[in-house]
Amino acid sequence: EIVMTQSPATLSVSPGERATLSCRASQSVSSNLAWYQQKPGQAPRLLINGASTRATGIPARFSGSGSGTEFTLTISSLQSEDFAVYYCQQSDNWPRTFGQGTKVEIK
Amino acid sequence: EVQLVESGGGLVQPGGSLRLSCAASEFTFSNYWMSWVRQAPGKGLEWVANINQDGSDKYYVDSVKGRFTISRDNAKNSLYLQVNSLRGEDTAVYYCARGGWYSDLWGRGTLVTVSS
Repeated sequence: EIVMTQSPATLSVSPGERATLSCRASQSVSSNLAWYQQKPGQAPRLLINGASTRATGIPARFSGSGSGTEFTLTISSLQSEDFAVYYCQQSDNWPRTFGQGTKVEIK
Repeated sequence: EVQLVESGGGLVQPGGSLRLSCAASEFTFSNYWMSWVRQAPGKGLEWVANINQDGSDKYYVDSVKGRFTISRDNAKNSLYLQVNSLRGEDTAVYYCARGGWYSDLWGRGTLVTVSS
């Protein structure tokens, strides 16, 4: 099983600032990496697939990068609606596995 | 509206069974891999199972193998998860999601609580 490790566990950011979230895979997943956003009481929402392709309707302030074992989700200028928990997920191997999540909170 | 709606959750005793359902609307259900993902209270996401378009290919996380069965009925635009021999650690919100590599459409989830 591929283990996905996200860091940091919590990120405190002021509105308008840049947020950088990391995700590391225990072995290469090529570019088979997705990012999701989840707000309290809601289902996850797909942000990024293929490590760097924004999903339909996702604002350009969200960008993904990386390949192999190291990935980054960047939110260029945090808006109030971006405070949430973010998960990475690999789809290179079965079982599919998620990271433990990074909570982005208001500083 | 393009959507997924789960049902079938509830309170069940340890060792019990449930059948979770997911109804798909306004997209060609038979064209997509489908997934079940769960989330224990206050915890992160855990992928549970996937099924391909015609139901001939299925994958499960190790912790549910032999206890859970994913299936689908394309004529009814529906996805199912039969959950047997339930344990306390199976308590979670179970989400139905579209896609086998990444999930671009999610339902709101159905809560399964395993408790005596």
